[in-house]
Amino acid sequence: DAGVIQSPRHEVTEMGQEVTLRCKPISGHNSLFWYRQTMMRGLELLIYFNNNVPIDDSGMPEDRFSAKMPNASFSTLKIQPSEPRDSAVYFCASSLDGGLLTEAFFGQGTRLTVV
Amino acid sequence: KQEVTQIPAALSVPEGENLVLNCSFTDSAIYNLQWFRQDPGKGLTSLLLIQSSQREQTSGRLNASLDKSSGRSTLYIAASQPGDSATYLCAAPPLDGNQFYFGTGTSLTVIP
Repeated sequence: DAGVIQSPRHEVTEMGQEVTLRCKPISGHNSLFWYRQTMMRGLELLIYFNNNVPIDDSGMPEDRFSAKMPNASFSTLKIQPSEPRDSAVYFCASSLDGGLLTEAFFGQGTRLTVV
Repeated sequence: KQEVTQIPAALSVPEGENLVLNCSFTDSAIYNLQWFRQDPGKGLTSLLLIQSSQREQTSGRLNASLDKSSGRSTLYIAASQPGDSATYLCAAPPLDGNQFYFGTGTSLTVIP
């Protein structure tokens, strides 16, 4: 398996624009996590899916953030409208059934810069 | 909420030295404890996973131990190499939570 695949790797956008980040989890994994990493706050969980269903979205900072998982092989994180303070590296991770019982595998991340 | 602390925040050692990285967590009721490595500009790579019923795990030059009662884990790296230079993070998901709570990491530099 190619691992968790995220796209794009880098995104630079202007404030107010919509941004969509994409993630393809490892085949067979049914838990998916979206994290945000900044120097100030480290890794923060944004949302967690199990079997394509959002289980915990308490980490989503504002209504500007939304995430979907239409099927087991694809998830998106959307920010609309984007703001400079959203600049961070966004990671997607997946793990086998059980969510937290097994190893989590991370994608390479999307570095978002909002100017 | 689970609080995970890693000490030291940064460490610089000469090549060949053995070293220990520390991870402490406040909620000892955890699924497991995982150690990750992150290279600059890259994602996290899983190094070792210790189940809550285990005391340690080994992979090559890496050995991780877990003491749930004291809320501590250590990652031991033997005969360090420049290629070991990276940030090392631990994560301790609590049984009553839905996420991997991460420490802030230890930035390791191994000097040739």
